[in-house]
Amino acid sequence: DIQMTQSPASLSASLEEIVTITCQASQDIGNYLSWYQQKPGKSPQLLIHSATSLADGVPSRFSGSRSGTQYSLKINRLQVEDTGIYYCLQHYSAPYTFGAGTKLELK
Amino acid sequence: EVQLVESGGGLVQPGRSLKLSCVASGFTFSNYGMNWIRQAPGKGLEWVAYISSGSSYIYYAETVKGRFTISRDNAKNTLYLQMTSLRSEDTALYYCAKEGYGYYSSYIYSWGQGVMVTVSS
Repeated sequence: DIQMTQSPASLSASLEEIVTITCQASQDIGNYLSWYQQKPGKSPQLLIHSATSLADGVPSRFSGSRSGTQYSLKINRLQVEDTGIYYCLQHYSAPYTFGAGTKLELK
Repeated sequence: EVQLVESGGGLVQPGRSLKLSCVASGFTFSNYGMNWIRQAPGKGLEWVAYISSGSSYIYYAETVKGRFTISRDNAKNTLYLQMTSLRSEDTALYYCAKEGYGYYSSYIYSWGQGVMVTVSS
């Protein structure tokens, strides 16, 4: 099974700060990596798909990148509404696996 | 607009069965793979099962293999999850989720609001 190691587990950042969350895949997953934001009591929402493609309606301050089997989600100029829990997901090979999540809070 | 509406959850005793349903609208259901994903209270997301558009390919997490069965009725735009031999560790919010397709990739495009399953005596 493919393991997704997500870091950090939690993060406290200031408004307008740049934030980066990473996921390391245990093997090659190509571009089958997506990122989701979940707010309390809500369903997860797609942010980035295909490693680097911004989902429809998602602010351009969110971006995704890939370097080999390491994937990153970057938030430029952090806003209040960006707090929540972020998950990566590999959809390359079943069983599909999520990262453990990163809880993002405002400092 | 994609809509996924789950139902069928509730409180069930260990060892018993439950069947979840998810009615889809806003897209051509028969063209997309579908997933069930769950989230135990206060925990992260766990993928449970996948079924391809025509039901040819079906995959399960090891934690539910042999106990859960995913199926779909494309004529009714409905996804199902039959859960048997339920355990306390199956207690979770269960999401129905639609697949999306990108350039040499696939992902979860949209999620339902979730349905709660509680396994307890």
